Amino acid sequence: KQEVTQIPAALSVPEGENLVLNCSFTDSAIYNLQWFRQDPGKGLTSLLLIQSSQREQTSGRLNASLDKSSGRSTLYIAASQPGDSATYLCAVSLLRDDKIIFGKGTRLHILP
Amino acid sequence: NAGVTQTPKFQVLKTGQSMTLQCAQDMNHEYMSWYRQDPGMGLRLIHYSVGAGITDQGEVPNGYNVSRSTTEDFPLRLLSAAPSQTSVYFCASSIKGRSYEQYFGPGTRLTVT
Repeated sequence: KQEVTQIPAALSVPEGENLVLNCSFTDSAIYNLQWFRQDPGKGLTSLLLIQSSQREQTSGRLNASLDKSSGRSTLYIAASQPGDSATYLCAVSLLRDDKIIFGKGTRLHILP
Repeated sequence: NAGVTQTPKFQVLKTGQSMTLQCAQDMNHEYMSWYRQDPGMGLRLIHYSVGAGITDQGEVPNGYNVSRSTTEDFPLRLLSAAPSQTSVYFCASSIKGRSYEQYFGPGTRLTVT
């Protein structure tokens, strides 16, 4: 059974710092991995999608990497801002069926 | 485009009542899914559909029914509400399935007393 783990569960960093969020998964037979952002009381917004054949994707200050063989992905946020405060979730889509499995998220707080 | 819309935003039910959570998308997406989000449990897949007329179970399907008679709509039915179904429910869609970007609705917060 595919399990997706995100560590740490919560993180506070001062504004301006670069930071890395981690996501690990137990079964490397994935189709792709997505990173999402969720603001309190809101739905999820897709940030980056990495296909299994790709190593990384970039969007603005965000860079996501994927190492399928080791079952790991990282989301790098450069020059963090208070507006980056949110919960970040990763999700993997499985090769064997049409399901998408989510991690429990990392709650990020950027200190002004 | 309105994207993915969900109604109602909030709902309170008594144990044993039934109701339908509505989900609609106007992007002509083939793939639609329902999740529930609970503290400490994360997002869990309830049911999903890869196209009109086709549905399948996710991780936690018990107590819920779905149907997909049109591409646009994917309602979730609670047959006999239980306090364990108190949760936030999200509907999501993508153009063709798991390989594409997922778009989420704003959620329905359900309380069962």
